[in-house]
Amino acid sequence: DGGITQSPKYLFRKEGQNVTLSCEQNLNHDAMYWYRQDPGQGLRLIYYSQIVNDFQKGDIAEGYSVSREKKESFPLTVTSAQKNPTAFYLCASSIGTGQISNQPQHFGDGTRLSIL
Amino acid sequence: AQRVTQPEKLLSVFKGAPVELKCNYSYSGSPELFWYVQYSRQRLQLLLRHISRESIKGFTADLNKGETSFHLKKPFAQEEDSAMYYCASRRTDKLIFGTGTRLQVFP
Repeated sequence: DGGITQSPKYLFRKEGQNVTLSCEQNLNHDAMYWYRQDPGQGLRLIYYSQIVNDFQKGDIAEGYSVSREKKESFPLTVTSAQKNPTAFYLCASSIGTGQISNQPQHFGDGTRLSIL
Repeated sequence: AQRVTQPEKLLSVFKGAPVELKCNYSYSGSPELFWYVQYSRQRLQLLLRHISRESIKGFTADLNKGETSFHLKKPFAQEEDSAMYYCASRRTDKLIFGTGTRLQVFP
């Protein structure tokens, strides 16, 4: 189904290389999020954006960067500074934050990143 | 720091047995709590939220402020309930997830 599209599904990175994970949504949602999912650790927030041209660090932002130039797009770059990048990455969006912060988050299918 | 604790990594039951997936939170304010579910080969999706006081697919969850718990319950488990379940709490404009519990329902 549509809504949130993450690409690619699988991604391989060489040592010292930056890679960018794509996340696009057609739900007209203001807020977007990136999570990292590791076995036994649940989902941890990397970065989030409440509105275009604005984003904030989550709990584990080191070694990652994002941009929010368009409402529909929130790409995540895994830089060479991220020493343990192998994980499953999930993108999510929600209508907004603040007063309507109880709105559910909609998730993509995820991207699995591995180190060569 | 705000935390969500799911003490069980795996919960195995037989079809028709009652199910309770535990979730405890630590938050000094008024919590907003959710249960998310991920079925095999499907996306993570919202199951229910405490403010709605709803029952979805036979599941309910009651907020117990005294015990700071939001356990997910179903009186009779079905095989199609087998999935990964995450409890989450909202912290200002972010969600804090627990580590998840895998529910296995055997025939």
